Amino acid sequence: GAVVSQHPSWVICKSGTSVKIECRSLDFQATTMFWYRQFPKQSLMLMATSNEGSKATYEQGVEKDKFLINHASLTLSTLTVTSAHPEDSSFYICSALLEGRYNSPLHFGNGTRLTVT
Amino acid sequence: GDSVTQMEGPVTLSEEAFLTINCTYTATGYPSLFWYVQYPGEGLQLLLKATKADDKGSNKGFEATYRKETTSFHLEKGSVQVSDSAVYFCALSGTGTASKLTFGTGTRLQVTL
Repeated sequence: GAVVSQHPSWVICKSGTSVKIECRSLDFQATTMFWYRQFPKQSLMLMATSNEGSKATYEQGVEKDKFLINHASLTLSTLTVTSAHPEDSSFYICSALLEGRYNSPLHFGNGTRLTVT
Repeated sequence: GDSVTQMEGPVTLSEEAFLTINCTYTATGYPSLFWYVQYPGEGLQLLLKATKADDKGSNKGFEATYRKETTSFHLEKGSVQVSDSAVYFCALSGTGTASKLTFGTGTRLQVTL
C-alpha cells in the first residue's frame, strides 16, 4: 500500500531556532500534500495544502511566514517552523494524495512531535 | 464552517464487548464521512467511509452508517479485540472539497483481556 514517511518523529529545539519536518511519499507520486497540527486532546487542524511546484495554500489564521512549506518534488514536502517558540510545541502530521486521485483516501505520516524549550 | 464532534475518551472495554463511538457532524451540502484509526506509533489509516446518506461503511468488523437525519456517523463493532486498541478519528470532507478533511478530536479505545 501507499506509504508516507515523516521525519523526524520527534524533535526538541530551543526557542528562536528553526526546525524542518519532511514528508515523503515512498512508493507513489503526490501532487498534493496536507499539513495538520494537533494539540493535546484536540482535533487535527489543517494548516496548509501543499501543491508540487506552486505556493502552498494556508488556512485562515496560520502564519505563512512562520510555517514555511516547500513542495519541490512529487515525493517530498517540507514544513519549516521558523523562530520556534514554546507555543509552537505540538504534533504535526502530514498526509499525501495520490496523484490525480482527488477523491481517494489520504495517506498519513506517523507525525512529528515538536517540543520547543 | 464544517465541524465534527465525537465522544471523549478514553473508552475502556473488555475483549468481546460491544463498541460504540459516537460521531456527529455539521456541514453544508453533502459531505463524505470517514473513520480513521491510529494504532500506537503509526500514522492514521482509513478504516471506513461513506459518501452519501444511508450508506454503510464497513471494514475489519467495524461499521458506521451515514445518517443525514441525525447528522451522525457512529462507529460500532460487535466484539472488540485487544488489537483494536487505538485512537479513532471521525472526519468529513465537504462538498466539492474532496480530500480536505475536518477531524473530530479522536477517541482512545483501550481493550483489556
